[in-house]
Amino acid sequence: DTEVTQTPKHLVMGMTNKKSLKCEQHMGHRAMYWYKQKAKKPPELMFVYSYEKLSINESVPSRFSPECPNSSLLNLHLHALQPEDSALYLCASGRDTEKLGKLFFGSGTQLSVL
Amino acid sequence: AQSVTQPDIHITVSEGASLELRCNYSYGATPYLFWYVQSPGQGLQLLLKYFSGDTLVQGIKGFEAEFKRSQSSFNLRKPSVHWSDAAEYFCAVVPYNQGGKLIFGQGTELSVKP
Repeated sequence: DTEVTQTPKHLVMGMTNKKSLKCEQHMGHRAMYWYKQKAKKPPELMFVYSYEKLSINESVPSRFSPECPNSSLLNLHLHALQPEDSALYLCASGRDTEKLGKLFFGSGTQLSVL
Repeated sequence: AQSVTQPDIHITVSEGASLELRCNYSYGATPYLFWYVQSPGQGLQLLLKYFSGDTLVQGIKGFEAEFKRSQSSFNLRKPSVHWSDAAEYFCAVVPYNQGGKLIFGQGTELSVKP
């Protein structure tokens, strides 16, 4: 299994809603990432988890809250988002952050905030 | 400032023609270098990477890239483009000693004419 699975594929939420994005991999990878990608723009790094510990937070607003409950799962909890947070949210995994050989990306969650 | 630059926003080539996509980086020490491809609405797929050693790197789908330290460049090439190569191409770097921090260039959109 060489897949990174993200659910849901599409999400529409209001600014007062609380929702969560989920990412799962079963490749034994110990590094997991959240990226945000606006249309026609490159992915922007949000968070990096290494061995289930948050190792990089790229000054992301607190309305985004990551969680890594185990080595296979990565969640992104969303609360009180703004319309400008509408984007494609990509999850990725890799063997670990030191041996950055190859990142496997999921297909993303397309988020619309109304 | 540290950056990775893709000078061409959009390139159109005829099917069967050769292709070169440009990438320049500006970092004190040579970073790890990558090329990724993204089809519409999809995640990213790694084409090839350079860490050290042979400066001509072979990747998947017939792509290759050449690292030129003197020019701070890592250009992507393909001798004969297929219609299925139409996609967005991202050059990316992991700066030296910043394991886990994959940073993308602005991307080059490739269109292929029949």
